[in-house]
Amino acid sequence: EAGVTQSPTHLIKTRGQQATLRCSPISGHTSVYWYQQALGLGLQFLLWYDEGEERNRGNFPPRFSGRQFPNYSSELNVNALELEDSALYLCASSLGTVSYEQYFGPGTRLTVT
Amino acid sequence: AQKVTQAQTEISVVEKEDVTLDCVYETRDTTYYLFWYKQPPSGELVFLIRRNSFDEQNEISGRYSWNFQKSTSSFNFTITASQVVDSAVYFCALSEARGSTLGRLYFGRGTQLTVWP
Repeated sequence: EAGVTQSPTHLIKTRGQQATLRCSPISGHTSVYWYQQALGLGLQFLLWYDEGEERNRGNFPPRFSGRQFPNYSSELNVNALELEDSALYLCASSLGTVSYEQYFGPGTRLTVT
Repeated sequence: AQKVTQAQTEISVVEKEDVTLDCVYETRDTTYYLFWYKQPPSGELVFLIRRNSFDEQNEISGRYSWNFQKSTSSFNFTITASQVVDSAVYFCALSEARGSTLGRLYFGRGTQLTVWP
């Protein structure tokens, strides 16, 4: 069974540009989560999508947004990139909510110059 | 407030030694879930275990064991007879069952474990 996949592996952007990160969940999983792992800040929750709806978001500005498609894959968009957005962005999926473990993808390394 | 503390930033051991990674959590929820994840140098978080707040039974899986104690809000992880392949960053995480924090995993800062041959 294929795990969570993310693309691209690496992304280099300049300040002010927009970045789009993609995630495909494990087959059968309906929930997708996004986390940011920035140096010195640890793993922080960004967004949670379930059945196409945004269910929860972390303490991030509105320029971080996303969506979930009918096939449960997801996109994370970061507008007006800032240097501090440089981080590893991890996507996870789960069978359901709360009580289910989240399985993570390999991440997208975003570098903002 | 929700919080996960992993006081040990780095641990170094020699192969075949036993090592325990500490995790202390804070939550006001009576129903919650605790997790351990492993992050090898490749970066992908690997799920190791989930426990719910109503099940304090300790668990053993091969060389791995977990000790959950609600009285001390701790969920410690022990690796017996450590191996070089165990070298990674280990994260403890908390998820609450209701309210505005639904769906989130709160992670500790992680413990970098290095196992020397």
